[in-house]
Amino acid sequence: DTAVSQTPKYLVTQMGNDKSIKCEQNLGHDTMYWYKQDSKKFLKIMFSYNNKELIINETVPNRFSPKSPDKAHLNLHINSLELGDSAVYFCASSRRLAGPLYEQYFGPGTRLTVT
Amino acid sequence: KNQVEQSPQSLIILEGKNCTLQCNYTVSPFSNLRWYKQDTGRGPVSLTIMTFSENTKSNGRYTATLDADTKQSSLHITASQLSDSASYICVVSYGGSQGNLIFGKGTKLSVKP
Repeated sequence: DTAVSQTPKYLVTQMGNDKSIKCEQNLGHDTMYWYKQDSKKFLKIMFSYNNKELIINETVPNRFSPKSPDKAHLNLHINSLELGDSAVYFCASSRRLAGPLYEQYFGPGTRLTVT
Repeated sequence: KNQVEQSPQSLIILEGKNCTLQCNYTVSPFSNLRWYKQDTGRGPVSLTIMTFSENTKSNGRYTATLDADTKQSSLHITASQLSDSASYICVVSYGGSQGNLIFGKGTKLSVKP
């Protein structure tokens, strides 16, 4: 299937642990993102990579570290997990349509629960 | 401050009825506005994308309008179906680069039989 995929879909872990979420897109897109959707369903961008280079790094604790080994992958590593990190994390990729327009495709999300 | 406000926060309608969701924004410099549909437990899916020069765009039973002067957009759903039950998110892009997006909090639509 042509898509943006994330693993795992669910992640339950204890405070203080370190965890990673993986994202892969087979759409051939150059730009990938990580978003956080909190309990109020508000989506906020965390990071954006273009051709493996970081282009957007919003105010996110440095416990969050994205890694892009190649254009098709953007992984998110989280150190010393805290209760407030519980959320759904979405990976996305995008392609330029024309001019400033681009189409964005989201993965299915990873629900992280920190206990 | 760049902001996107959506109303109502939630909406319940009967199957077959029409409805309109609202989006007001204060985002500069405006690039484009998009509406996403997010089913429960899924990622958002793009419905429409409009630049400032477009004032209406349709995608099946979904019709989005944009008034760049008043900085308002609406999403009209015609002949609603049970599968339209979802959150609808208005997103405004600013500047020229990908990723400069301001998300609204969404309107949760429930279509009842």
